[in-house]
Amino acid sequence: ETGVTQSPTHLIKTRGQQVTLRCSSQSGHNTVSWYQQALGQGPQFIFQYYREEENGRGNFPPRFSGLQFPNYSSELNVNALELDDSALYLCASSQDQANEKLFFGSGTQLSVL
Amino acid sequence: GENVEQHPSTLSVQEGDSAVIKCTYSDSASNYFPWYKQELGKGPQLIIDIRSNVGEKKDQRIAVTLNKTAKHFSLHITETQPEDSAVYFCAAFYNTDKLIFGTGTRLQVFP
Repeated sequence: ETGVTQSPTHLIKTRGQQVTLRCSSQSGHNTVSWYQQALGQGPQFIFQYYREEENGRGNFPPRFSGLQFPNYSSELNVNALELDDSALYLCASSQDQANEKLFFGSGTQLSVL
Repeated sequence: GENVEQHPSTLSVQEGDSAVIKCTYSDSASNYFPWYKQELGKGPQLIIDIRSNVGEKKDQRIAVTLNKTAKHFSLHITETQPEDSAVYFCAAFYNTDKLIFGTGTRLQVFP
């Protein structure tokens, strides 16, 4: 049990819609990262949040955006959904920005039809 | 560029045998290399990690070795058990903000 919780566990959307995924970090952790895992692939870095600001970003378009709240929980928002956005979205927390040890939640499985 | 290659993609072993998974990374500045185990329907679980100032680390049946010169690192599982069956990912930490993952190895341990 890592302590990182994500909601919802599953979600079905249609192309063009918008989606918000939520994550609560492990107790004592102030940094949250989001990853996208396509079927049969390794997770790919979307972005990281530290002290409520985006602290690093992978190769994802601006329609992927996020927020971090004062309690260190986080949201991932995806606008104008495309079929290729169908994937497992993973949230990971770490003790602080400089700590590379990431603890993952179980993810949200997003299906875009 | 940022890249981690992982081999093999699938690995089948008999219970009690050893399993070895190998990874290669591209950025010599990387200094942290974790291994994750992912079971069906779950997120990746950190099982062992190693930093670049160490050549080998062991935790019970699991060991990781690192060759910084060659940019290779490997996961060794001894005395495999059916519950070791899962997908294993290696990763390298880049630019102080992200893990770059390999493509995964599906390990099957047959009783």
